[in-house]
Amino acid sequence: GAVVSQHPSRVICKSGTSVKIECRSLDFQATTMFWYRQFPKQSLMLMATSNEGSKATYEQGVEKDKFLINHASLTLSTLTVTSAHPEDSSFYICSASGSYSSYNSPLHFGNGTRLTVT
Amino acid sequence: GIQVEQSPPDLILQEGANSTLRCNFSDSVNNLQWFHQNPWGQLINLFYIPSGTKQNGRLSATTVATERYSLLYISSSQTTDSGVYFCAVEREDDKIIFGKGTRLHILP
Repeated sequence: GAVVSQHPSRVICKSGTSVKIECRSLDFQATTMFWYRQFPKQSLMLMATSNEGSKATYEQGVEKDKFLINHASLTLSTLTVTSAHPEDSSFYICSASGSYSSYNSPLHFGNGTRLTVT
Repeated sequence: GIQVEQSPPDLILQEGANSTLRCNFSDSVNNLQWFHQNPWGQLINLFYIPSGTKQNGRLSATTVATERYSLLYISSSQTTDSGVYFCAVEREDDKIIFGKGTRLHILP
């Protein structure tokens, strides 16, 4: 089955620094990638949608200048949390779809990145 | 926007018991998926089920799209079934929206 690799799985950084999270589709071309954030004991909240070669579309309330998303190739999307603060501490998960819609193409998720900002 | 409601929010069962988890959605959807999130946060795709019924071992799912609900059945529960079960639907703009999940705890 399709595999999505997310790296790193866990990161601790100091307040004010930037952190980059990578999401790779290993055996298929991911035309669309989604980034989610999950706070403890809550559901996954969609942050942004990225299509290869175009600018990401951010959900309402998500700061695009803080959460930079790059989807430069069909197998790689990155999320950079800039000037991280403790309130950015969360579990970030990417998912990938092999089409412009997940219709007939189930989503595949990375294993997530647990970010702790001290 | 589309609303996704899952019930019950929490469920505690003895090992060996059966359970039914429900997902209601407020509008027509292109697809629906069920996921299991294990205690380590990993999301496992259980079913891709925009309509109809599917079975995989002790798990089965039914989606009645015309009535806007889906059910996930777990039979003969095992402690490894513990975790959070999410349903997720694709809305019209192709984005996936998750329900708040059902937290399942299976007691040995």
